[in-house]
This record gives sequence, structure tokens and C-alpha cells, in this order.
Amino acid sequence: DAGVIQSPRHEVTEMGQEVTLRCKPISGHDYLFWYRQTMMRGLELLIYFNNNVPIDDSGMPEDRFSAKMPNASFSTLKIQPSEPRDSAVYFCASSLDRALNEKLFFGSGTQLSVL
Amino acid sequence: DQQVKQNSPSLSVQEGRISILNCDYTNSMFDYFLWYKKYPAEGPTFLISISSIKDKNEDGRFTVFLNKSAKHLSLHIVPSQPGDSAVYFCAAWSSGTYKYIFGTGTRLKVLA
Repeated sequence: DAGVIQSPRHEVTEMGQEVTLRCKPISGHDYLFWYRQTMMRGLELLIYFNNNVPIDDSGMPEDRFSAKMPNASFSTLKIQPSEPRDSAVYFCASSLDRALNEKLFFGSGTQLSVL
Repeated sequence: DQQVKQNSPSLSVQEGRISILNCDYTNSMFDYFLWYKKYPAEGPTFLISISSIKDKNEDGRFTVFLNKSAKHLSLHIVPSQPGDSAVYFCAAWSSGTYKYIFGTGTRLKVLA
């Protein structure tokens, strides 16, 4: 099992540019989560999907952020336009049945730097 | 409003001694708790969990204690090893929201 795969590992961009982060969950996992890690707030949940459908996006900071899951094996998190305060590590995670307290499996993250 | 708090950003412990990492939460509806370990440039990995119906769970060198009345949990590592040096996150789950809420993390450094 390859685990959760995220790309790119690092992204450096200029303020105002569009940024797209990608995630491939573990095959067979029904839930996919996007988290952001910052020093001040730790791991923040941005949005999660169940069977490709967005369930809770209350953590998405503002309209500049959007996420999609067109199929069971792929999700994107897009920031447009990006701002320096978006600089953080973004993690994707997947899990099996949510109701059973299934633990999350995380990808290696994308380190985003917005200059 | 931080519902899960890890008030110690960092902790240093001598190899062989006990490491105690603490976590406090505010929401009494949380009914499941986990600890994750994170090495640099890697994603967090699951370490140990505890249900709210228990007050202790042990797995090898790792033990998690839960004090529901105090809304406090702790992770004990005995004996600590240099390979335990990492950032540790506690997370709380509520069957009402189906979401894991993570703390800000504690960086543990085990000194050889």
C-alpha cells in the first residue's frame, strides 16, 4: 500500500498566484480530509469528503480556498489568489468508516510558501 | 477558540527517563482521543488511542491516561529513547460532529 500521496512536496509562489495542491488517498478509504498546520493553530481541519462529496467545509478560511474530489482516488485544494498568510504545511489524510472512530492516515504534506 | 490545547510547546527529557506530554480539552462531548507522532518532513502517524469509557490504555512503552472530570489526557513514554524525538499531537473526536480536532503539538526532544 503506497499510503496517502501528496504533490508537490514543496511549492513556492508569489502573492496573487493560483496554487493547486493534490492528493491521492489510500485505495478503499471513503473519507478524505485536508488539514493545515501552523505554529499558532496546530493542525486545522479545512474540509472533509465522504464518498467524494464535501461534508463539512466550515474550516475553509475564506472564499479564496476551494477543494474538489472528482473521483475516489483524487482530490485538489486550490488557493486563488494566494497570500503570504497562507504559507503553511498542508496535509491530506484518508480513513475508512468515520463512525467507527477510524484513525487518519496522513500524507507527507505540501510545504507552501507564498512570497 | 482552541478546543484542544497542548500548553507545552516543547519538552526535553534524558534518554531512559519518563516523558509526559499533556493535553487539555474543553468540549465534554469528545468521546475518543488519539495521539499522533510527527517527524520532520513527514505526515503525522497514529500512535495510541483511548475511548472515553476508559481511563488508561497501554501499548508497549506508551500509555495514555484520561481524566474526564478534569478534561485532561496525558501520554507517558517509558523509557524515552532518542528515536522518540518528534512532535506529538493529541486529537479529540466527537460522535456528534464526526471531526477530529487537533492540538497545537508538543515537540519532544530525548537527549542521549
